[in-house]
Parts: sequence; C-alpha cells; structure tokens
Amino acid sequence: AQTVTQSQPEMSVQEAETVTLSCTYDTSESDYYLFWYKQPPSRQMILVIRQEAYKQQNATENRFSVNFQKAAKSFSLKISDSQLGDAAMYFCAYRSAQDDKIIFGKGTRLHILP
Amino acid sequence: SAVISQKPSRDICQRGTSLTIQCQVDSQVTMMFWYRQQPGQSLTLIATANQGSEATYESGFVIDKFPISRPNLTFSTLTVSNMSPEDSSIYLCSVEGPMVDTQYFGPGTRLTVL
Repeated sequence: AQTVTQSQPEMSVQEAETVTLSCTYDTSESDYYLFWYKQPPSRQMILVIRQEAYKQQNATENRFSVNFQKAAKSFSLKISDSQLGDAAMYFCAYRSAQDDKIIFGKGTRLHILP
Repeated sequence: SAVISQKPSRDICQRGTSLTIQCQVDSQVTMMFWYRQQPGQSLTLIATANQGSEATYESGFVIDKFPISRPNLTFSTLTVSNMSPEDSSIYLCSVEGPMVDTQYFGPGTRLTVL
C-alpha cells in the first residue's frame, strides 16, 4: 500500500526567508501524481502545487516550487519569500494514476515569524 | 477551478441525532468525494460518490452510518447518523477537475457532537 510521510510536524521561518517542507512516499507504481495542499485556519484545503510523476521538470507556482526526486521517492516543497499569509498546515498527498483515492501525509504546521 | 460550497459551515449536535451536510458545485462533475478530518489529524476518505450509482465506501466506513446521496452532477449530501462525540470532525467534500486527476475541496463543515 502507498504511504506518505511528512517527518516535520512543525516548522517556523522568518518572514521573507525561504523554507523547505519535506515529504517522502512509498509506492511500487511508476505513474502517479503528487500534490501539496495548504490548510489555513479557515480549514479550506487549497491546492498549492501538482506534479506528474512522468515529468522530470519540477513544478513551480510563483513562490512555491518542488524538488521531485522520483528515485528517492521524495517530494519537498520550497516556499520562497515567505509571507504571513503562508502560515498554515501543509499536506503532502499522493494519487495513483490507476485510482481516484488521494493519500495524505499527516501534515506540517508552518509558522511565519514577523 | 470549480466553486464548491458546503452547508452548514459548522454545527453543534447532541449525541444520537443525525446531521446532513450538503455539497454544491457550480459546474457538473462526475466524481465527488467525502473526507473526514478528525481534530489535529490528516484527511481520511469516507466514500466516493458518482451520480446514478451507489457510493463506494472506504474500509472502516459503512453506509448505515454515513449515507450519501448524489441526485445530480452538481450536488451531494453526506449524513452522519446516530452521532457520538467521536464523530466530532471537519467533513470536507471535494471534486475532480478541471485539472486532470486533481481534487479541489469545499470549505468544510465543522461538526461538534456533545
């Protein structure tokens, strides 16, 4: 069975600095999708970034980028120029191309220090 | 992405009662999903709801406890039946698209059972 592991329950970063959130996953499949979702205190789950496993190029969305290492099964999220609005719970998630089910990690709570 | 709304946004209920949560999407979608997020935890898929067919439940979730309706392509309901304090959670619906194989979430319903 696939699993998603986020080893950092909490992290803090100074405003305007860069922070990297870690995620590893376990799968025997070759075709899948990886996601980072953000959940602020409002509790809405917001898609931050999406990566297709067959694409070697790392996904980027404005200040958010990923470091996707398929062989190592690693999918970290880098947030540049951190802003107060980035404070939230961040969930790494995996979805097989063969299935509709998304598997979520336990989350990393990110604090932004002014 | 699709605009997804949920009603109610929060509720406090007495044990033994039932609550029906509504999920409305502003466009037609094939698949809708219901998740539970227990306090301080990650998301767990309850069931997948396709229009015109019975919902597919994940292990640990049964139709008698969490009946789901999907009367059309823009609407679904989840009922939490015979509630106990252990049912206190955030319940979220999600839909797939417009990006392929990507789920987008509603704002969630925070349920507290006394």
